[in-house]
Amino acid sequence: EDQVTQSPEALRLQEGESSSLNCSYTVSGLRGLFWYRQDPGKGPEFLFTLYSAGEEKEKERLKATLTKKESFLHITAPKPEDSATYLCAVQADGANSKLTFGKGITLSVRP
Amino acid sequence: DAGITQSPRYKITETGRQVTLMCHQTWSHSYMFWYRQDLGHGLRLIYYSAAADITDKGEVPDGYVVSRSKTENFPLTLESATRSQTSVYFCASRISGQETQYFGPGTRLLVL
Repeated sequence: EDQVTQSPEALRLQEGESSSLNCSYTVSGLRGLFWYRQDPGKGPEFLFTLYSAGEEKEKERLKATLTKKESFLHITAPKPEDSATYLCAVQADGANSKLTFGKGITLSVRP
Repeated sequence: DAGITQSPRYKITETGRQVTLMCHQTWSHSYMFWYRQDLGHGLRLIYYSAAADITDKGEVPDGYVVSRSKTENFPLTLESATRSQTSVYFCASRISGQETQYFGPGTRLLVL
């Protein structure tokens, strides 16, 4: 059974204090790993898709990396507007579109 | 560019009533999905559709019915609502051949 574990559950940072969010996964053949951002009361907003170990993608202060067992979302010099819940999901080979989501990491950035 | 819209955004109903949640997308994406999101759980797939008139069960399909007569619409019906179906429901879609799913704003459903 595919599993996704995100840690920590919650993270509080001071503005400018860089950190990383972890997504550990177990899947029988990875087809893709996805990062989403979710603001309170809204739907998940797509951030990145990673397909193979060693792949990295960047967007503004965010950088996502992928290994064979986990993915990291690095946040460099975060701002209060980066406060949100970050979701990780995996799709297995032959999963027929099914994404398995982690429970999310709630990030709070204090000014 | 409207993307994906969901209606209603909020709904309160009573146990045993039938409820239909609507999802409409303007991108002509072939794939559409319904998820529920509950505290302590990640997003869980209820049903999905690869094209008009093609639907399949996800992880938690019991108590739900879907249909897809048109590519742009994917309604989700709770035939006899139960308190355990109180949740936030999200619709999503993606293009055939690409894996990234794009989500709607959600419908908050409370079953009393």
